[in-house]
Amino acid sequence: QVQLVESGGGVVQPGRSLRLSCAASGFTFSLYAMHWVRQAPGKGLEWLAVISYDGSNKYYADSVKGRFTISRDNSKNTLYLQMNSLRPEDTAEYYCARDALLYHSSGHCDFWGQGTPVTVSS
Amino acid sequence: DIQMTQSPSSLSASVGDTVTITCRASQSISNYLNWYQQRPGKAPMLLISAASNLQSGVPSRFSGSGSGTDFTLTISSLQPEDFATYYCQQSYSSPPYTFGQGTKLEIK
Repeated sequence: QVQLVESGGGVVQPGRSLRLSCAASGFTFSLYAMHWVRQAPGKGLEWLAVISYDGSNKYYADSVKGRFTISRDNSKNTLYLQMNSLRPEDTAEYYCARDALLYHSSGHCDFWGQGTPVTVSS
Repeated sequence: DIQMTQSPSSLSASVGDTVTITCRASQSISNYLNWYQQRPGKAPMLLISAASNLQSGVPSRFSGSGSGTDFTLTISSLQPEDFATYYCQQSYSSPPYTFGQGTKLEIK
């Protein structure tokens, strides 16, 4: 069965960096685009970034562009989110999610991880 | 960027009721509209893609319709497990793939 397990969350001071990981199993990871989505406490979902199946294309929300970098290692079946220059407003639960279509990024996500919390506070 | 607006923000209903949630896009998105359900403390779950395509395993009491800028999610014969928050998301053209602000469905 498809499994996505995020890790790497925690408490970090403003201005510092953090790298999230998402370990995938139960499907051929290298054939799917992957997304990161976050949810601030008590708030709605915010789409952050997508990476193509082969890592050649990446897109970001304006709120994180230039600070966050999405990447993947298909040999390790792992998705990453490098988060730099963190701000208090980046405090949220961070989810990785699989795009619903093979190869092509459809934009909708059919499997989600359980999330990893990130708190940015001094 | 395309903005998505859901209404209402919250809704109270009883088991067995039929409810409708609306989602409006700031520009035409054809049928590139998806609906998710999120129960408290859980990850979102995809219910409907392409405005009306019910995902495998999702009960048939869920249905979606619309195209262009106006879309609806209808849940008929509400069950206890349906009380959750619902989000629409547009996936038209290039990213960002924006979500609506959510609609919280509560038990009356």
